[in-house]
Amino acid sequence: DTEVTQTPKHLVMGMTNKKSLKCEQHMGHRAMYWYKQKAKKPPELMFVYSYEKLSINESVPSRFSPECPNSSLLNLHLHALQPEDSALYLCASSLGLRETQYFGPGTRLLVL
Amino acid sequence: DQQVKQNSPSLSVQEGRISILNCDYTNSMFDYFLWYKKYPAEGPTFLISISSIKDKNEDGRFTVFLNKSAKHLSLHIVPSQPGDSAVYFCAARAGGTSYGKLTFGQGTILTVHP
Repeated sequence: DTEVTQTPKHLVMGMTNKKSLKCEQHMGHRAMYWYKQKAKKPPELMFVYSYEKLSINESVPSRFSPECPNSSLLNLHLHALQPEDSALYLCASSLGLRETQYFGPGTRLLVL
Repeated sequence: DQQVKQNSPSLSVQEGRISILNCDYTNSMFDYFLWYKKYPAEGPTFLISISSIKDKNEDGRFTVFLNKSAKHLSLHIVPSQPGDSAVYFCAARAGGTSYGKLTFGQGTILTVHP
């Protein structure tokens, strides 16, 4: 089973709202990732967690705040986003940092 | 600086024929390469990977070839099926402190006609 689940599927938020994206996997993977994908562009890495610790932050603005409460769960807290932050947000997981990453279906975010 | 390039935005092939998708890279520190397939409104699906110590890896209808001297890899799909129609991304990873960091190409839209 290589399933990564993400909720919600779609999210519309205003620039003053606070919302959270959720990602879950039950494959025993110890590395989890957040990517952002704009239309007709490749996925771009945002954050990497390894054993529940932040391993890589690709200079992402502080209005995006990741959290890894346990080895199965990854959250992305959103606050004061801009319209240009509208994108597909993808979560991925892998057994370890060297292993193949498996992606969830993504959350389509629209910031008004 | 685009370190992973897929120079063909699209490719159209007939069902049953071979599809060849190409990818070039510039970073000589990349040591692991992957191909993902993506349908609209879905996340990327892992297809096949290859380590830099190999030059070929096969999995069913999918074969990936790696030419390290040319910094080039290709994905062969034989025979192509209409269900293969999707966007294909190649991705690369370096070792050391970059473990976990995938760099993706721009993608190639493959259309397989019945």
